[in-house]
Amino acid sequence: AQSVTQLDSHVSVSEGTPVLLRCNYSSSYSPSLFWYVQHPNKGLQLLLKYTSAATLVKGINGFEAEFKKSETSFHLTKPSAHMSDAAEYFCVASDSNYQLIWGAGTKLIIKP
Amino acid sequence: DAGITQSPRHKVTETGTPVTLRCHQTENHRYMYWYRQDPGHGLRLIHYSYGVKDTDKGEVSDGYSVSRSKTEDFLLTLESATSSQTSVYFCAISESRGRGSGANVLTFGAGSRLTVL
Repeated sequence: AQSVTQLDSHVSVSEGTPVLLRCNYSSSYSPSLFWYVQHPNKGLQLLLKYTSAATLVKGINGFEAEFKKSETSFHLTKPSAHMSDAAEYFCVASDSNYQLIWGAGTKLIIKP
Repeated sequence: DAGITQSPRHKVTETGTPVTLRCHQTENHRYMYWYRQDPGHGLRLIHYSYGVKDTDKGEVSDGYSVSRSKTEDFLLTLESATSSQTSVYFCAISESRGRGSGANVLTFGAGSRLTVL
């Protein structure tokens, strides 16, 4: 069965330092991959999406993610964290029937 | 959350009572979804719809039913609420599914927090 694993349930970084949120997927084919963000007590918002074009995908708010097929990874990064980045982040993959498979989420904590 | 409205936003009910959550969209999107969100589980799909009167089950559909009589409305019903259905429920819409650049992109409502006592 296809699955999405977010390797850290919580990540804590200081403001102004880089952010790395890790995501691995298992799939027998090349899926579409997404990152969504959920700020406290809010709905979810799309950060970025990978289809099959460029492997480095740029999203909103300075985030980007790189698709690495050999590692089955789609890690989310940002060069410099801001307090407003504190949120929960979800990695999502689509399976061969275009159903979406959700990771369990990573809570990003930003220290002042 | 422009274009999607969920109601009610908060509800407290008792075990055994029926509950209906409503999702209303103004985007004229074909696909609508109901998810539940619980700590440590991410989002889990309950039911989805691919058109008026066309619905299908998701991974956690037991105890839930849905109806879509109009493009803009997707109702989720808990026929006899249980404490295990205490959760935050999210409605989402998408314009298309498949391999296109905009396919499978979900727009979410603000969520409905349900507490079953």
